[in-house]
Amino acid sequence: GQQVMQIPQYQHVQEGEDFTTYCNSSTTLSNIQWYKQRPGGHPVFLIQLVKSGEVKKQKRLTFQFGEAKKNSSLHITATQTTDVGTYFCAGRYNFNKFYFGSGTKLNVKP
Amino acid sequence: GAVVSQHPSWVICKSGTSVKIECRSLDFQATTMFWYRQFPKQSLMLMATSNEGSKATYEQGVEKDKFLINHASLTLSTLTVTSAHPEDSSFYICSAPRSGIAYEQYFGPGTRLTVT
Repeated sequence: GQQVMQIPQYQHVQEGEDFTTYCNSSTTLSNIQWYKQRPGGHPVFLIQLVKSGEVKKQKRLTFQFGEAKKNSSLHITATQTTDVGTYFCAGRYNFNKFYFGSGTKLNVKP
Repeated sequence: GAVVSQHPSWVICKSGTSVKIECRSLDFQATTMFWYRQFPKQSLMLMATSNEGSKATYEQGVEKDKFLINHASLTLSTLTVTSAHPEDSSFYICSAPRSGIAYEQYFGPGTRLTVT
């Protein structure tokens, strides 16, 4: 089946430090979505990227979609304890189904 | 935002029995719903796509006779784990995408299945 690789698996940062997670696909994606899952919770939609080279910002979060539409990144500036959770990318190849990356678990130390 | 519910939230059953999990979109219609399986501290694995009015489509490696999916209406999809075994113990989570610009998925709270 389709695979979306995501790194790193874990990231521990001090509050105020930046954080980045990366997703990569061996084949071109139609679009990519990003989700956040808090411990014990379910994934919550953050954003969707569609266009090649697209960059979107949500406050301290910056999302990028690569020019070849094979990779994407989520960057958080000046992390806060409220950013704790697991961040997943979900790539869409065709039709209307998404394949999730393995997730990056972010821990922020106050 | 849109709400998706799942029932039950947790269930314990004995080996060999069947368990039905319901997924409902509460305030919007969903012609398609997705069923995922999530192991502890792991990602969501897409199991199948549930289509209202037609057969579900299963991902490679997912036994369709074991995981029966029925999309009875535009707001309800059910997943039945038949003849459950301990290895079926997992967190099952559904999502319903909402048509629109983003086609974002709204996830249910999940069902924790434990097979003893």
